[in-house]
Amino acid sequence: GAVVSQHPSRVICKSGTSVKIECRSLDFQATTMFWYRQFPKQSLMLMATSNEGSKATYEQGVEKDKFLINHASLTLSTLTVTSAHPEDSSFYICSAAHLGGGNQPQHFGDGTRLSIL
Amino acid sequence: DAKTTQPPSMDCAEGRAANLPCNHSTISGNEYVYWYRQIHSQGPQYIIHGLKNNETNEMASLIITEDRKSSTLILPHATLRDTAVYYCIVSPKGANSKLTFGKGITLSVRP
Repeated sequence: GAVVSQHPSRVICKSGTSVKIECRSLDFQATTMFWYRQFPKQSLMLMATSNEGSKATYEQGVEKDKFLINHASLTLSTLTVTSAHPEDSSFYICSAAHLGGGNQPQHFGDGTRLSIL
Repeated sequence: DAKTTQPPSMDCAEGRAANLPCNHSTISGNEYVYWYRQIHSQGPQYIIHGLKNNETNEMASLIITEDRKSSTLILPHATLRDTAVYYCIVSPKGANSKLTFGKGITLSVRP
């Protein structure tokens, strides 16, 4: 089946550091990727929609200058958490949609657990 | 807000069928019903989806009522590894449509 890979799986860093998370579709091309955030004991919350070759679309309340998204190719989207602080600690998950769209489901990566000290 | 409602939790015995209900009374004509599950500390895993006909794959069966206002995910022979949070999501056709996750239903499979 379709595979989406996220890297790194876990990051621990100091407050003020910027952290980049990669999301790759390994066996299909994806014009659209989605970034979610999940706090403990809560559901996934969509942060932004990443579109290949164009600007990302952010959900209400998500700071675009804080969470930089780049979707430079049909198989890679990156999320950079700039100047991360402890409140940014969370589980970040991406999903990818097949280029053909249509009836194909989205597939999710295994997530990145970000811990800011 | 999620457009589906699910019970918060249920359990079933290993080897028995697990029937997970979902209400989506405001579903639109162009919206599919998707089911995903999330095992602790992992990303969601796609299970199955459908529009109006019942669907079956190697993982599960999806039964959608004729009025499309509710559906049931059936795991025919639950195993301990099926313990997870199961999300029922309605979304327009097309993988480029964003998915809105509700709280899901926590399925616990007991030995």
